[in-house]
Amino acid sequence: EAGVAQSPRYKIIEKRQSVAFWCNPISGHATLYWYQQILGQGPKLLIQFQNNGVVDDSQLPKDRFSAERLKGVDSTLKIQPAKLEDSAVYLCASSFSGRLNTGELFFGEGSRLTVL
Amino acid sequence: AQTVTQSQPEMSVQEAETVTLSCTYDTSESNYYLFWYKQPPSRQMILVIRQEAYKQQNATENRFSVNFQKAAKSFSLKISDSQLGDTAMYFCAFANNAGNMLTFGGGTRLMVKP
Repeated sequence: EAGVAQSPRYKIIEKRQSVAFWCNPISGHATLYWYQQILGQGPKLLIQFQNNGVVDDSQLPKDRFSAERLKGVDSTLKIQPAKLEDSAVYLCASSFSGRLNTGELFFGEGSRLTVL
Repeated sequence: AQTVTQSQPEMSVQEAETVTLSCTYDTSESNYYLFWYKQPPSRQMILVIRQEAYKQQNATENRFSVNFQKAAKSFSLKISDSQLGDTAMYFCAFANNAGNMLTFGGGTRLMVKP
């Protein structure tokens, strides 16, 4: 079974530029998550999708971050314009139902962003 | 809002010995779920062990076990017979009664030395 796929693995940009990250969850998983993991910290949830609808985006900086999951499968996270403090690893994860008491959360390898 | 605290930024252990990683959390809910996740260097995070708050029995998965103290809001992870492959970041995490809203602690970097 294929895992959660993310690309690109690494990206270096200058501040005020834009960047997009792509995630393809495990087949059949209805719930998709984007987390931001700053170096030395635990992952912080940015947005959670259930199929193609947003369940929680309360911690997403909406003035610069956007995310979509138009067909309820793969997802794109965009940052525009990027700031220095956006340097982090962006983790995508998926689960079958979104109820973590019954199922696991599967993570991708992450996309490491460096903003100069 | 729930908070998860891991007070040990780094730990080391000799191969084959036992190590315990600490985690405390704060919540007003009576039922919830606790997890330990492992993040090896440059590899994806994986679930190590899960504990349901209404179950008094501590969860065990092979060499990994937890000490869940509900009243103290403490959830420590014990790794027995440590192996070099256990070297990783370990994150404690909390999910609410609905099984969503996963909140992570800051992590503990564990180094297993030969």
